[in-house]
Amino acid sequence: SAVISQKPSRDICQRGTSLTIQCQVDSQVTMMFWYRQQPGQSLTLIATANQGSEATYESGFVIDKFPISRPNLTFSTLTVSNMSPEDSSIYLCSVEAGPGYGYTFGSGTRLTVV
Amino acid sequence: AQSVTQLDSQVPVFEEAPVELRCNYSSSVSVYLFWYVQYPNQGLQLLLKYLSGSTLVKGINGFEAEFNKSQTSFHLRKPSVHISDTAEYFCAVSDNNYGQNFVFGPGTRLSVLP
Repeated sequence: SAVISQKPSRDICQRGTSLTIQCQVDSQVTMMFWYRQQPGQSLTLIATANQGSEATYESGFVIDKFPISRPNLTFSTLTVSNMSPEDSSIYLCSVEAGPGYGYTFGSGTRLTVV
Repeated sequence: AQSVTQLDSQVPVFEEAPVELRCNYSSSVSVYLFWYVQYPNQGLQLLLKYLSGSTLVKGINGFEAEFNKSQTSFHLRKPSVHISDTAEYFCAVSDNNYGQNFVFGPGTRLSVLP
């Protein structure tokens, strides 16, 4: 199944700044998914990123706040813009592990906004 | 729309005791079902999945789950737990194997006590 490298693993950022999270997959995948896991909560899908088209955002998430790039079939970035303490979460990327194999997740980026 | 319920937010259990983590789902279509584990300060790891076929699914680390369509359940079980099984466990459902409509439950924190 696919292996994902996600970085940074953690960061502490000042409010008002932006952070870009990167996900690199060791194989070509059609769709990549970005999730947010707020403290003590489950995962919420932010958006689905297809190569060559704009990402599709879930309700409650907007492109201005969470711009996503998908320049090729193995890489994607998520930017958390104009951060506030409420953005403190774990952000994870995910891809389909392979037909019938479910989904693989990156190790996550633990973001703390101060 | 699909939803996932994990009735137990926390399950404490003594080492070497059996455990069952409950998961119920609602969906109007056929589903794929997954259990993921998240160890402290780590990303998500796929434990097991049900896509089709046998309703009893065996996963990694000695876990198994049984799909019960009539009760819309997919409970996770392990006959004898170890301290190392202490983690957060997430049940998830999808109506396809292509990443869309992938919904996570709220999670169950399993604490294995010595």
